[in-house]
Amino acid sequence: DSGVTQTPKHLITATGQRVTLRCSPRSGDLSVYWYQQSLDQGLQFLIQYYNGEERAKGNILERFSAQQFPDLHSELNLSSLELGDSALYFCASSALTESEAFFGQGTRLTVV
Amino acid sequence: GQQLNQSPQSMFIQEGEDVSMNCTSSSIFNTWLWYKQDPGEGPVLLIALYKAGELTSNGRLTAQFGITRKDSFLNISASIPSDVGIYFCAGRATGGSNYKLTFGKGTLLTVNP
Repeated sequence: DSGVTQTPKHLITATGQRVTLRCSPRSGDLSVYWYQQSLDQGLQFLIQYYNGEERAKGNILERFSAQQFPDLHSELNLSSLELGDSALYFCASSALTESEAFFGQGTRLTVV
Repeated sequence: GQQLNQSPQSMFIQEGEDVSMNCTSSSIFNTWLWYKQDPGEGPVLLIALYKAGELTSNGRLTAQFGITRKDSFLNISASIPSDVGIYFCAGRATGGSNYKLTFGKGTLLTVNP
């Protein structure tokens, strides 16, 4: 158990809908990362937060947004969902911005 | 952007054999991490490397941070069936506000008992 908690584990929703994925980092970790993993793309970096502030941004679509709250948990919001957004979404956390990252179990999103 | 080339893409080996996989980067990295992912699970951190030339072991696993800071390798000795999975390298570049962790596409390891 990495100590990173993601909810829900599975999510099935229709195209055009909006969903929110939640991540609780390891106790004491200030940095949270979000990744998307699909079969043909590997682990794609979406965004990173450190202590509530955005620190790095990857190829995150405009339909996607994230935030890190004062209690350090983070949420990834996905809107106007398309079939191609079906993937595993992982959250990872680290103590600092440059230390090793530990992953949660992921949320499997299926858009139908 | 940063590119990580991980090879080989897949390996089929017999139990007891040693395995080697590597990653090369177009950028200089100041951190290399190696992860293993089982189906339907999140990646699990195996080894973290922070200094050029650093050689670190974790049981039967050994990883090295290349001197050029653009490559890293992972060796697994005396493989066992539970080593099956996808191995990912990840690197973090130096300098500025570039904190993102870039992943290779993974090496799928199959171990025949």
